[in-house]
Amino acid sequence: EPEVTQTPSHQVTQMGQEVILRCVPISNHLYFYWYRQILGQKVEFLVSFYNNEISEKSEIFDDQFSVERPDGSNFTLKIRSTKLEDSAMYFCASYPSGRAWYEQYFGPGTRLTVT
Amino acid sequence: DQQVKQNSPSLSVQEGRISILNCDYTNSMFDYFLWYKKYPAEGPTFLISISSIKDKNEDGRFTVFLNKSAKHLSLHIVPSQPGDSAVYFCAAATIQTGANNLFFGTGTRLTVIP
Repeated sequence: EPEVTQTPSHQVTQMGQEVILRCVPISNHLYFYWYRQILGQKVEFLVSFYNNEISEKSEIFDDQFSVERPDGSNFTLKIRSTKLEDSAMYFCASYPSGRAWYEQYFGPGTRLTVT
Repeated sequence: DQQVKQNSPSLSVQEGRISILNCDYTNSMFDYFLWYKKYPAEGPTFLISISSIKDKNEDGRFTVFLNKSAKHLSLHIVPSQPGDSAVYFCAAATIQTGANNLFFGTGTRLTVIP
């Protein structure tokens, strides 16, 4: 069964550094999402992406964040200048046309640790 | 703003018995409710949903009950199997506005004891 993949599985970075988290959604999916989960807290929506542009974004998704689909397969989340509070598990998700938006396929996540 | 709450961080159940996972919400505007299951080192997987116009939805061993007056929903798994051991997230949404209004609970870790 096709899967959403994410790399790396764990990223450690110093405060102030830029990080890029990568996701490869399932090939025929058209809608893409990023979520994060701070340890011990709830999963939170960050941003949705469709047709090469952002559809929705949450208050968390400020100017430090950006998303891109650079080559038609990868879907990336960039954090320009990381802060300690960006430490979290970041999940990418996608779903195809014809499915309900909440029936998303999630990747395994990237654990980001900012020191 | 804890709009969706799962007050039990963990639950242990014997194999073959019923597992009941509970979830409470505060926003009466929510009109769709979902349960996701998450295994270690994997992302959440959509499990079952219920619209606010229903009070029950069943899919195999999984049944979700919605009590709108109490702003409470529950997931019943019967019979429970060891493979059901996972973290279960409740989520609620205002369906027309999509994922920007998808609110998750903090999860309940279910352990099914063989």
